[in-house]
Amino acid sequence: EVQLVESGGGLVQPGRSLRLSCAASGFTFDDYAMHWVRQAPGKGLEWVSGISWNSGRTDYADSVKGRFTISRDNAKNSLYLQMNSLTTEDTALYYCAKGALPAAILNFPFDYWGQGTLVTVSS
Amino acid sequence: DIVMTQSPDSLAVSLGERATINCKSSQSVLYSSDNKNYLTWYQQKPGQPPKMIIYWASTRESGVPDRFSGSGSGTDFTLTISSLQAEDVAVYYCQQYYTTPLTFGGGTKVEIK
Repeated sequence: EVQLVESGGGLVQPGRSLRLSCAASGFTFDDYAMHWVRQAPGKGLEWVSGISWNSGRTDYADSVKGRFTISRDNAKNSLYLQMNSLTTEDTALYYCAKGALPAAILNFPFDYWGQGTLVTVSS
Repeated sequence: DIVMTQSPDSLAVSLGERATINCKSSQSVLYSSDNKNYLTWYQQKPGQPPKMIIYWASTRESGVPDRFSGSGSGTDFTLTISSLQAEDVAVYYCQQYYTTPLTFGGGTKVEIK
């Protein structure tokens, strides 16, 4: 059974940093691209970042480019999101999501999602 | 960036009736090399993460009831629930995966009339 479990969320002050983690199990982690998607309270979905199976390609939404860094450790079946210079606009539930097909590219939908970890940026 | 526009924002449908949700992309998401539309639909129930129900615009995910169907090509797409059931109450999102940044529509809330 595929499982994605996010952690690392919490309350943080504007300008500070936070690192999210996603522990994956139930599939061959290093075959698939992985993504972070966020959802502000009561709002829609926003893709944040994606990373290819071997970390050779990463990409970001303009809203986080230069502040967030996605990474993965295939030996630990884990995905990460380093978030720096946080603003109140980054307050959201952050989901870890799996690419639907084994590939090096990011251009596939997400067939499994975690339950999310809540990030609240407030002074 | 490809902008995805969904309509309506919400709709209320009687049990057993048809629900239709539209999604329009600001540019074509039909990839000429494989003739596939890089468009997916998700269902998100309250308090749950989204669930993929349709991909390649019209392919139903395994286990998804056949009352859900997707259609369209290029820039205009439709998700149809042929006979609405109580468990279909949710917000539905379209998403293009033709190019990054991957972008979602604003969502359509489906309720029971």
